[in-house]
Amino acid sequence: GENVEQHPSTLSVQEGDSAVIKCTYSDSASNYFPWYKQELGKGPQLIIDIRSNVGEKKDQRIAVTLNKTAKHFSLHITETQPEDSAVYFCAATPRTYKYIFGTGTRLKVLA
Amino acid sequence: NAGVTQTPKFQVLKTGQSMTLQCAQDMNHEYMSWYRQDPGMGLRLIHYSVGAGITDQGEVPNGYNVSRSTTEDFPLRLLSAAPSQTSVYFCASSRDRGKTEAFFGQGTRLTVV
Repeated sequence: GENVEQHPSTLSVQEGDSAVIKCTYSDSASNYFPWYKQELGKGPQLIIDIRSNVGEKKDQRIAVTLNKTAKHFSLHITETQPEDSAVYFCAATPRTYKYIFGTGTRLKVLA
Repeated sequence: NAGVTQTPKFQVLKTGQSMTLQCAQDMNHEYMSWYRQDPGMGLRLIHYSVGAGITDQGEVPNGYNVSRSTTEDFPLRLLSAAPSQTSVYFCASSRDRGKTEAFFGQGTRLTVV
């Protein structure tokens, strides 16, 4: 069935270091891959997304890479700051066009 | 432009009680959905709607009903609350079905005792 696996479940990095979160999807027909950030007590908010016809996308300190052959995509955050601490969710939209979310990664940036 | 508004923010129910979680959006989005968020399980789709008058089941629909009489509103009804329905519930809307950004409400934290 449709499935998205996300790793790691928790990640601690020192301020200024990079953080990488990885996701794998099951449906090769998936064509839209958003990443959401959820701060405490709030709803998820889109931070970056990528479509299947693009291999990489950057937005300042955030980048997403997509490997369609291997069916995995990754979120890269460089020069991490304390305000990057949050829960991050990846998602994929398979042929049914429903969002399938990963189980989330709790990122802690240590000052 | 308020985006997606959910009410209430917190709710405590007794087992067997019923209630409705409200969700409204002012972005004229056709696609709306309800998720529940449980520790270690991410966001799981309960029900969704692709437009007024059209609803369908998601991954975990049992114990919940929805209706979509207008584009703006998409209420979620708990028919007979059970402790297993203790969770945080999020409503989301998007312009297209699974092709563009989903906008989420602030969530409703529900406890069933």
